[in-house]
Amino acid sequence: NAGVMQNPRHLVRRRGQEARLRCSPMKGHSHVYWYRQLPEEGLKFMVYLQKENIIDESGMPKERFSAEFPKEGPSILRIQQVVRGDSAAYFCASSGTGQSSYNEQFFGPGTRLTVL
Amino acid sequence: GENVEQHPSTLSVQEGDSAVIKCTYSDSASNYFPWYKQELGKRPQLIIDIRSNVGEKKDQRIAVTLNKTAKHFSLHITETQPEDSAVYFCAARGSRGSTLGRLYFGRGTQLTVWP
Repeated sequence: NAGVMQNPRHLVRRRGQEARLRCSPMKGHSHVYWYRQLPEEGLKFMVYLQKENIIDESGMPKERFSAEFPKEGPSILRIQQVVRGDSAAYFCASSGTGQSSYNEQFFGPGTRLTVL
Repeated sequence: GENVEQHPSTLSVQEGDSAVIKCTYSDSASNYFPWYKQELGKRPQLIIDIRSNVGEKKDQRIAVTLNKTAKHFSLHITETQPEDSAVYFCAARGSRGSTLGRLYFGRGTQLTVWP
């Protein structure tokens, strides 16, 4: 059973370019969460999605950032016109739908974004 | 929203000693508290969790205790080994409406176990 997968693992962009980060949840999971981690800091919640629905995007900046989780395919976190402050590790997590499995969030390996 | 505080930020112990990491939370309605271990450059890995209807949970050398009245929970690692060295994060799950899914994380504790 493959775990949460993210790609790319490393992404370098110049200021003003777009960054697209992909996340495939664990098999059977329909809840996806995106978190951002700055160096030597904890993880900060960005957005929570279910298939074709954004449940909670209150942690995501309103400008330049967007997220989707289409019916088919991975969840995508998109950052337009990147700035140096966007440099961070972006982690995706997924959880199941059953009462016992809903709580447990399993993390992917992360995408390390560097903005030059 | 929920606010999670974690202490200490760094912890050094000798191999075989115990390590304790403490967290407090602000939302009394929070009901799920996981702990994650993150090695350098790796993903956070869930090592143990506790729900608000129990006060303690153990898994081999790892235990978590929860005091709902005081709104704090702790991670206890006994007989520490060098491979326990990592950053440990506590978290609390949001309890209200659309925040129900999100985890609020502490800032992490860098645990170093010296051989």
